[in-house]
Amino acid sequence: GNSVTQMEGPVTLSEEAFLTINCTYTATGYPSLFWYVQYPGEGLQLLLKATKADDKGSNKGFEATYRKETTSFHLEKGSVQVSDSAVYFCALSLPYQGGSEKLVFGKGTKLTVNP
Amino acid sequence: EPEVTQTPSHQVTQMGQEVILRCVPISNHLYFYWYRQILGQKVEFLVSFYNNEISEKSEIFDDQFSVERPDGSNFTLKIRSTKLEDSAMYFCASYAGVGEQYFGPGTRLTVT
Repeated sequence: GNSVTQMEGPVTLSEEAFLTINCTYTATGYPSLFWYVQYPGEGLQLLLKATKADDKGSNKGFEATYRKETTSFHLEKGSVQVSDSAVYFCALSLPYQGGSEKLVFGKGTKLTVNP
Repeated sequence: EPEVTQTPSHQVTQMGQEVILRCVPISNHLYFYWYRQILGQKVEFLVSFYNNEISEKSEIFDDQFSVERPDGSNFTLKIRSTKLEDSAMYFCASYAGVGEQYFGPGTRLTVT
């Protein structure tokens, strides 16, 4: 079946540290890949996405590259800020015959950035 | 910026009671979803809804669950007879068919 495995948290970093959150996937088809972020008390927001192999998604200093050969979509940021503290979810979607592009999520990784 | 809203933010109910969770999707979107997240676990797909009918549902979405879009704006999830294991955060999402799914802030359901 289709699944996403991401690095278990929590992750605690100091401000300006380098961040990597690992994400690998298993899919029967050719998925689109996403990172969603959930800030405290808020809903899930799309952070970035990539729809085909070797695509790099980027937003707010975060980047992730769709690696088909390693079935991975690792999230990176060169210098984290306190405001990046949130829960990060890796997800995939696959076209469904009926048009439902449901999302399959990983467990989420809680990031805390200390000043 | 358009947003998805959900009410209530927190619902406490007794086991066996019916609950209705409400969502107002983005107005020109065509696809609507419910997901849930049991505390400490992954976000799981429950059901998708398109053209006034269910287009896909997961194994979790059994006969105790139902969805409807009664008035063209609200999108509701009903749990007919709640169980303790239904306690979770429930997220609504809407999707135009291109781009991204937009999520609401969630409803925390606590079944006692």
